[in-house]
Amino acid sequence: DGGITQSPKYLFRKEGQNVTLSCEQNLNHDAMYWYRQDPGQGLRLIYYSQIVNDFQKGDIAEGYSVSREKKESFPLTVTSAQKNPTAFYLCASSIAFGGSYEQYFGPGTRLTVT
Amino acid sequence: AQSVTQPDIHITVSEGASLELRCNYSYGATPYLFWYVQSPGQGLQLLLKYFSGDTLVQGIKGFEAEFKRSQSSFNLRKPSVHWSDAAEYFCAVAQNTNAGKSTFGDGTTLTVKP
Repeated sequence: DGGITQSPKYLFRKEGQNVTLSCEQNLNHDAMYWYRQDPGQGLRLIYYSQIVNDFQKGDIAEGYSVSREKKESFPLTVTSAQKNPTAFYLCASSIAFGGSYEQYFGPGTRLTVT
Repeated sequence: AQSVTQPDIHITVSEGASLELRCNYSYGATPYLFWYVQSPGQGLQLLLKYFSGDTLVQGIKGFEAEFKRSQSSFNLRKPSVHWSDAAEYFCAVAQNTNAGKSTFGDGTTLTVKP
């Protein structure tokens, strides 16, 4: 079955450590996205990529970094510079051109930093 | 810039009653419009989408939405709500000129009373 996988489901880290969240898709989508979701809030875009080896900052990119070396993979690193990293992180993918642009979401990773 | 407003943060309906969730968007051209549903601790799932054609679109789980250009609205409806419909609902808009990047509303939480 095609879809998006995120791992792990739950992640715990100590303050000051960098942590990388995994996102893989086998939908052959060009575009991939990372969102942050805090309790009772909507989705805020962190980074997005519309093609391999290229990505753009979203609305809240500070303290985060990404890479897009393969079409299938779009890992997100939460650095120690991110002041409030505890949140639910969602990865998504979509067609980038010539489609209807609906996004397909992974199950999410809940990151807790103490 | 495109934007999406969901005026109702929280709605409570009785099981079996009808439901309407409101969504207003701001965008110059014909937008690509979506409704997604999110259960607690899960990713988002597409309920339905509109990008052309019939302005009344049918989705999964018995939901429908109507695109009204004159009102810049894309309200979600269901004639009879089931307890399993309790979730958070997000309206989103994308534009063809930005290759799939969507803007999401802040969400509406639906509670279903027995």
